[in-house]
This record gives sequence, structure tokens and C-alpha cells, in this order.
Amino acid sequence: DQQVKQNSPSLSVQEGRISILNCDYTNSMFDYFLWYKKYPAEGPTFLISISSIKDKNEDGRFTVFLNKSAKHLSLHIVPSQPGDSAVYFCAASAGYGGSQGNLIFGKGTKLSVKP
Amino acid sequence: KAGVTQTPRYLIKTRGQQVTLSCSPISGHRSVSWYQQTPGQGLQFLFEYFSETQRNKGNFPGRFSGRQFSNSRSEMNVSTLELGDSALYLCASSLAASGGLLLYEQYFGPGTRLTVT
Repeated sequence: DQQVKQNSPSLSVQEGRISILNCDYTNSMFDYFLWYKKYPAEGPTFLISISSIKDKNEDGRFTVFLNKSAKHLSLHIVPSQPGDSAVYFCAASAGYGGSQGNLIFGKGTKLSVKP
Repeated sequence: KAGVTQTPRYLIKTRGQQVTLSCSPISGHRSVSWYQQTPGQGLQFLFEYFSETQRNKGNFPGRFSGRQFSNSRSEMNVSTLELGDSALYLCASSLAASGGLLLYEQYFGPGTRLTVT
């Protein structure tokens, strides 16, 4: 059973507009969430993270929102740029009381930003 | 600071053979995790090493094993290769300091693409 789900396999957005990538999780023990970006033939690149004690974290054009009651998080990219086109993975960790070294990944959302 | 390096980048093996992959973490990082990525299953956790000890293990058969050396470099080994082992194998390192956000942020290498024929 998938503990981290990204229900949209793909998303297409116009350059300059907002991209919203969604992620749902089922394990209430998860206490830390991360977003990674992956280009073909490369390893995932860490983007942004959020602890379960927060509901929002911002880093430049990237903002992650966490809704614990809904077990849902989202990544907002504003404004979207063609270079943002990649596969985005949501990941979760049950670090406290679990293993910090084990990230559970969603299956990814392919974002295409059109000029 | 140099990133995570993995060798080799590409490998072709035949069924029944064994293979060893190598990972050098970011300098100062003590935790190394291994993941398998396939089109059908996505990124799946194999195991994690910290201070030369396996700290956690994913749901993979015993043919998959690993180790970590005193300089934090890690190797993973797959014995008796099967066609289904064809995948991108990713290594990630993290500081794994006690407390703080840095505990969870893992930095990935480029991966080793293994093809089993």
C-alpha cells in the first residue's frame, strides 16, 4: 500500500503562471516532508522541506504547504519557468521514532512548463 | 564541496552474476542510504548505513546487501542477478546529526544504471 501518493502523473503550466504539485500521505507517523526535482539521467535534487510542526515553508519561488489534518502537502512554484520542467517527487520520513535514513517517495509528477 | 559520487555510472551484467556498486558521500556526511528506481515501482528504499552499521533495511531479498567503511564510503552488492534487478540505483548521503532539520535532508548521487540481460 502506497504511503505517499502523487495522484497526478503529469502537469502542464504556462511560463510565468503558478505550478501546484500535490501529495497525500497515509502514515500519521511521518513528521518531515521533502520535495525533490529530478531530470533524466540524474539523481534527485533536494528542493525544499517542511517539518510537521510548521504549515508553510518558503524558499524563493518555492513554497511548501502542509495540512496535517488532511494529510496533504503541496508545492507551489511561482512564477514557473521552462527550466522547472522535470519530475517532482514528494518524500516523507518518520524520523522521530523511526529511521531518519529511510525516505518514502511518491511516484512523481512530471511538470512541463511551456514558454 | 563535492557532491555524492557513484561508480560505475553504467553496468551491464547477465543473469546469475553478482555486482558491486560504490558510493562516496559528501564530505562530513555519516549516513548513506541506497534506493532502487524502476519505472513501475518508483524510488524504493533498500537500506541505510550509519557509522558502518546498517541502521534500517527496506523490503528487498537477502540478495541485496551493503556495507559502509570507516570513511563513510559505502558499497552495495547484488548477488545472483535477475532480470528484474535492472534499475537505476541511487545513493544518498546526509549529515544525520542529532536533532535539527539537517537530519532528514538527503543528497543524491547521479546513480548507477544497471542492466541485467
